[in-house]
Amino acid sequence: GESVGLHLPTLSVQEGDNSIINCAYSNSASDYFIWYKQESGKGPQFIIDIRSNMDKRQGQRVTVLLNKTVKHLSLQIAATQPGDSAVYFCAADTGTASKLTFGTGTRLQVTL
Amino acid sequence: NAGVTQTPKFQVLKTGQSMTLQCAQDMNHNSMYWYRQDPGMGLRLIYYSASEGTTDKGEVPNGYNVSRLNKREFSLRLESAAPSQTSVYFCASSPGRLGGYTFGSGTRLTVV
Repeated sequence: GESVGLHLPTLSVQEGDNSIINCAYSNSASDYFIWYKQESGKGPQFIIDIRSNMDKRQGQRVTVLLNKTVKHLSLQIAATQPGDSAVYFCAADTGTASKLTFGTGTRLQVTL
Repeated sequence: NAGVTQTPKFQVLKTGQSMTLQCAQDMNHNSMYWYRQDPGMGLRLIYYSASEGTTDKGEVPNGYNVSRLNKREFSLRLESAAPSQTSVYFCASSPGRLGGYTFGSGTRLTVV
């Protein structure tokens, strides 16, 4: 199976600073990873994904880094804004029927 | 373009009552999923349907049944609700392997 864990349940950053949210996974066979953002009262929303043949992928203000050696990935948010306040989940694809295993989430709090 | 639609949004049940949570997607996705979300435990997979006509158990299937009615619809049934099933339930769909999930907005269920 797969287990996915986030390093910090809560992360507080100042508006304009960069945020880094970390995640670890256990199954070396996992080959697809996704970051989701969940705002209060809403369903998780896709942010960015990365496949295991890549080390880095960039989106708009977000970057995901994958280190397969230590089974770790991170989400970097540049110039964090109040609208970034949410819970962030990483998820790993176990390779079985495209089932994703989710971490427990990190709550990002943006202070003004 | 509605994406994934879940009904109802809120429900209160008495212990022992039954109900069906409905989910429909309009993205022509092959795979559909039911997750429950409890505080501090992330998203846990209840059942999934990799393709029309197939269903499989996930991590926490006890007390639930599912039906993949057609490619669009995937319902979750609680036959005899218990307080331990108080949770937020999310339906999701995916085009398949290495495709991200699209989530519905959730059903908040309370069993008293």
